[in-house]
Amino acid sequence: DQQVKQNSPSLSVQEGRISILNCDYTNSMFDYFLWYKKYPAEGPTFLISISSIKDKNEDGRFTVFLNKSAKHLSLHIVPSQPGDSAVYFCAASQPRDDKIIFGKGTRLHILP
Amino acid sequence: GAGVSQSPSNKVTEKGKDVELRCDPISGHTALYWYRQSLGQGLEFLIYFQGNSAPDKSGLPSDRFSAERTGGSVSTLTIQRTQQEDSAVYLCASSIEQGTKNIQYFGAGTRLSVL
Repeated sequence: DQQVKQNSPSLSVQEGRISILNCDYTNSMFDYFLWYKKYPAEGPTFLISISSIKDKNEDGRFTVFLNKSAKHLSLHIVPSQPGDSAVYFCAASQPRDDKIIFGKGTRLHILP
Repeated sequence: GAGVSQSPSNKVTEKGKDVELRCDPISGHTALYWYRQSLGQGLEFLIYFQGNSAPDKSGLPSDRFSAERTGGSVSTLTIQRTQQEDSAVYLCASSIEQGTKNIQYFGAGTRLSVL
């Protein structure tokens, strides 16, 4: 029973264009959402987060959008750069719970 | 070092043997988490520590898995009588305190292969 779903295992985007990574969740109790980025042979690193009281959070080239009614969030990267090639994990947590539930990840390839 | 350190980075073992994985969190971080990433899967929560106590062990797959943390610092994850399905990357993370709104900093992981 996957509570956080990333339905695209991989995505290829031209350098300079916008990358959009999607994530769906099933648990309506989730109130905090995170994106982590992972390079090969390294641990995931925190990228950006959003609370359920917001619908958008922006940090430089990265923006996360949250649509609570659709139980959907997306990460936008613009413009995409070669160093953005990595696996991106969507994650979520619910109140008073110290567990983060991760999706399976989407591998992003930035093409030259 | 400044980051979360895990050892060994790779471990190959035979089915039925016990293995011990080590995690050195960032100094001063009171919360420590263990995850597992099997091939093609996301990160699966195993257990977390606040200080030396483990309030949530719900993610441990079986009683062959155990973990401890001493001195509020180093943690070891022990897998007894390893099985082939235990093959995965085991990741450790620490955060300044418990609570998912505190950023978790991950180590590079231990890749366990059970033959």
